[in-house]
Amino acid sequence: DTEVTQTPKHLVMGMTNKKSLKCEQHMGHRAMYWYKQKAKKPPELMFVYSYEKLSINESVPSRFSPECPNSSLLNLHLHALQPEDSALYLCASSQVSTRAVYGYTFGSGTRLTVV
Amino acid sequence: KNQVEQSPQSLIILEGKNCTLQCNYTVSPFSNLRWYKQDTGRGPVSLTIMTFSENTKSNGRYTATLDADTKQSSLHITASQLSDSASYICVVRARKGQGAQKLVFGQGTRLTINP
Repeated sequence: DTEVTQTPKHLVMGMTNKKSLKCEQHMGHRAMYWYKQKAKKPPELMFVYSYEKLSINESVPSRFSPECPNSSLLNLHLHALQPEDSALYLCASSQVSTRAVYGYTFGSGTRLTVV
Repeated sequence: KNQVEQSPQSLIILEGKNCTLQCNYTVSPFSNLRWYKQDTGRGPVSLTIMTFSENTKSNGRYTATLDADTKQSSLHITASQLSDSASYICVVRARKGQGAQKLVFGQGTRLTINP
């Protein structure tokens, strides 16, 4: 299995809703990432988990709450979002290594619309 | 400051023609450079990954070059097809020792192939 699977593919939520995005990989990667991507812009890093521990939080608002329950799963819990949070949310995974040849695999993303 | 600059921002060519996309970077110390293809609303898909010692790498009709001295890379697409229409993103990893991989993204080149 060489894929990163994200669910759901599309999500529409109100500003008072609570929802979660899910990400799963079975490549044995011990680093997992959440990115936010607006239209016609490159992905922006939000969070990094290394060995199931949060290692980087890029000053993301607390209405986004990440969780890494085990080495294969990564969740992003959403609460009280704003319309400007509408974007494509990408999950990625990689080896934790100094070796340059290791790849970095992205999921297909969740298209989130906040109404 | 670590930066990745891509040119052109957008490009339109006829089906069957060749094209070359450019990437200049100031990321240091350099670890590797990757080219990704991203269809609208989907996650990026890796095309090539190149390390410091590699000058050229091919993946089917895609050929990437790297000049580590001038800190430039190019992606050449041969005999373009309609399915090549996408954004092409140049991504550079800085060598910072053990740990999750943090990447620097270019803004992307939006390529449109017309019949």
